[in-house]
Amino acid sequence: GAVVSQHPSWVICKSGTSVKIECRSLDFQATTMFWYRQFPKQSLMLMATSNEGSKATYEQGVEKDKFLINHASLTLSTLTVTSAHPEDSSFYICSARDAQWTTEAFFGQGTRLTVV
Amino acid sequence: GENVEQHPSTLSVQEGDSAVIKCTYSDSASNYFPWYKQELGKRPQLIIDIRSNVGEKKDQRIAVTLNKTAKHFSLHITETQPEDSAVYFCAASPSSGYALNFGKGTSLLVTP
Repeated sequence: GAVVSQHPSWVICKSGTSVKIECRSLDFQATTMFWYRQFPKQSLMLMATSNEGSKATYEQGVEKDKFLINHASLTLSTLTVTSAHPEDSSFYICSARDAQWTTEAFFGQGTRLTVV
Repeated sequence: GENVEQHPSTLSVQEGDSAVIKCTYSDSASNYFPWYKQELGKRPQLIIDIRSNVGEKKDQRIAVTLNKTAKHFSLHITETQPEDSAVYFCAASPSSGYALNFGKGTSLLVTP
């Protein structure tokens, strides 16, 4: 299957700082990528849909100025958590679907963010 | 938007028994229904999926059934093994340009 690579796999940052997470589709072009957040023992909650060359679409309740998404190319989407706070600590995971070949969704490895 | 309900939230079975997890969805436009297995700290792994033009699909010990009229689909695992222990998520979505909407997950424990 297709490969989606996410980096970093874990990061610890201080409150008030910003953290950037990268999501790359390695062997296919992804015009659309999705960002999810998963708190411990909970489900994956969609945060936003990232569209190449245009603004991301955010789910209700997700602050677009806090979670900046950039999808500058067909293989890369980034999520920047700005002015991070301890409550932002979570597992962030991206996903992309290779529309050309299959409806299957491919997930990155996830990023464990801890804000101290 | 799509709302996916999943039951049960926890399931404990003995090795060799069968496990069944059920999901319902609300959006009649949904036509793709995957099931994922997630181990702690890892990404979800697709174990089986079904599209709306199919009523049942089987892959060795795993099967999925879909009832479009009732808007529900189920995961069946037969001859369970301890390594099947994990959290399982169902999901639903319309075409590939849309995000997956996940159920809340089922924590499956298979005891030897």
